[in-house]
Amino acid sequence: DTEVTQTPKHLVMGMTNKKSLKCEQHMGHRAMYWYKQKAKKPPELMFVYSYEKLSINESVPSRFSPECPNSSLLNLHLHALQPEDSALYLCASSQVLTGTHRAYEQYFGPGTRLTVT
Amino acid sequence: GENVEQHPSTLSVQEGDSAVIKCTYSDSASNYFPWYKQELGKRPQLIIDIRSNVGEKKDQRIAVTLNKTAKHFSLHITETQPEDSAVYFCAATITSGGYQKVTFGTGTKLQVIP
Repeated sequence: DTEVTQTPKHLVMGMTNKKSLKCEQHMGHRAMYWYKQKAKKPPELMFVYSYEKLSINESVPSRFSPECPNSSLLNLHLHALQPEDSALYLCASSQVLTGTHRAYEQYFGPGTRLTVT
Repeated sequence: GENVEQHPSTLSVQEGDSAVIKCTYSDSASNYFPWYKQELGKRPQLIIDIRSNVGEKKDQRIAVTLNKTAKHFSLHITETQPEDSAVYFCAATITSGGYQKVTFGTGTKLQVIP
């Protein structure tokens, strides 16, 4: 199974709502990533988890709260978002090999299209 | 941090012609350079990649070259077909402590005219 799945596919939420995005992989990857992609722009890294620990937070506002409950799951909790947070949110995963600098392919999920009204 | 520049931003070619996209990166610690194709509304898909210890790699109609000294890398697509039309992103990757940080270029919208 070389697939990363994301739910929901589409989400419309008001600025006062609380919602969560979910990402799952069963490839045994121990690094998982959240990206934000605005229209006609490249993906921008938000968070990186390595072995279920938060390794990178790219100065993301606190209204985005990541969670990695186990090695297969990655969540992104959303609260009090702004209309400018509307975007495609992509999850990705990759192998890691600690103690080396070998890089591996990142596998992307299909994304969640988020609209904040 | 890493900075990746990509040119051109748009590229139109006739079917059967070649297309070349160029990227430069800034951080010499980058050691892996994937190229992604993204169709409208879909996820980025890896089409080819190259590691810093390799100068060139080819896969059928697609080839990538890397000049580590100049910090340049390029994508070459030969015999283009209409289904090659998409946005292409180059990327530079730095690995660190059990994860990797990927910085994407700004993207090239390729249009192949039948």
